[in-house]
Amino acid sequence: SAVISQKPSRDICQRGTSLTIQCQVDSQVTMMFWYRQQPGQSLTLIATANQGSEATYESGFVIDKFPISRPNLTFSTLTVSNMSPEDSSIYLCSVERGNSNYGYTFGSGTRLTVV
Amino acid sequence: KQEVTQIPAALSVPEGENLVLNCSFTDSAIYNLQWFRQDPGKGLTSLLLIQSSQREQTSGRLNASLDKSSGRSTLYIAASQPGDSATYLCAAGLQGGSEKLVFGKGTKLTVNP
Repeated sequence: SAVISQKPSRDICQRGTSLTIQCQVDSQVTMMFWYRQQPGQSLTLIATANQGSEATYESGFVIDKFPISRPNLTFSTLTVSNMSPEDSSIYLCSVERGNSNYGYTFGSGTRLTVV
Repeated sequence: KQEVTQIPAALSVPEGENLVLNCSFTDSAIYNLQWFRQDPGKGLTSLLLIQSSQREQTSGRLNASLDKSSGRSTLYIAASQPGDSATYLCAAGLQGGSEKLVFGKGTKLTVNP
């Protein structure tokens, strides 16, 4: 099963700045997923990142705000741009574990606070 | 639009008690149903995955059931331990293999020694 290293684990940022979150997987995966968990809310899918193509964004999320890179089959980044306090959330990346009994593996998450 | 609801939002039990966490979903056309555990400051740990053709899955003290027709899943935890304290999330995988998961808000479980 895949192991994901996600960085940074937390950050406090000034409004108007940008933060890039990185996820490194220990094996090659076709798709990587980025989620947001706002305080007291459920996880919401932001986008799906395929290597070699543009990410697919869910309704309510746009590339200008959340640009994603997927340069190879083991790495992806999510940037939160022009941040406001409303962007304060936990951001998580995920991959399918390749085992039908265990589903998806998640990174440890990035807790972002925008002040 | 698929919506997932988890009841109760929080649960506190004494150590050793058996307990059930509930998850309901509005659209029965799901691909699978997955239960996760989330510890404070950490990511999600996958506990059990039930495919749409299955009725239940077991792992150790955990048993998850799925009833698609009624739009419900339960997670049964036997002989609870303080180490089981965490937030438990269920997620419905949308049909069609789109790999999209729709999450509930979770049940925060506290097991008291």
